[in-house]
Amino acid sequence: ETGVTQTPRHLVMGMTNKKSLKCEQHLGHNAMYWYKQSAKKPLELMFVYNFKEQTENNSVPSRFSPECPNSSHLFLHLHTLQPEDSALYLCASSSASISSYNEQFFGPGTRLTVL
Amino acid sequence: AQKITQTQPGMFVQEKEAVTLDCTYDTSDPSYGLFWYKQPSSGEMIFLIYQGSYDQQNATEGRYSLNFQKARKSANLVISASQLGDSAMYFCAMREPTGNQFYFGTGTSLTVIP
Repeated sequence: ETGVTQTPRHLVMGMTNKKSLKCEQHLGHNAMYWYKQSAKKPLELMFVYNFKEQTENNSVPSRFSPECPNSSHLFLHLHTLQPEDSALYLCASSSASISSYNEQFFGPGTRLTVL
Repeated sequence: AQKITQTQPGMFVQEKEAVTLDCTYDTSDPSYGLFWYKQPSSGEMIFLIYQGSYDQQNATEGRYSLNFQKARKSANLVISASQLGDSAMYFCAMREPTGNQFYFGTGTSLTVIP
């Protein structure tokens, strides 16, 4: 247990569905991240939130919509996804201090399959 | 340019032997942090070890040690006395103090052979 939880752990959805991934951290961190990890590919940073403000959006398609209502919760809203969006989606949190220490703590991930 | 480079897509090691996983990094910032994570087949990323750019000594955590060569910009992970449970993907990562972005390498898949 790292203190970061993600739900659901597995999700199968059709291309016309709308679903949301949820991430919650109990570590008192103020930075949260969404990563996408496709098979045989490196981690891709999708979004970064610092103190509930989005600071990074790495050219992610608009069918992925993040939401950070407070420092402890992060959502990824999904709609009209494509089969190539099937991947492991990892949430992470860290302290948002200027120190280069403070590792990221990861959740267990949501394994998403788009049919 | 790649911030983190891991040149070994896959590695094999005999149980109880030591293994070194390579990592080189690229930054012009004098202050940075280097991290290694383990990702078993279950998917969760597990933090293993940290090295700060100003740290004089190589970091160690149990069977894990980090061979930090600052001039070469390398931060290799050494796992001593390999165990079957060490079979996993291993990712090297770097954090710079400006911003909160972590840069990850492409990973090395380690297989421990009985």
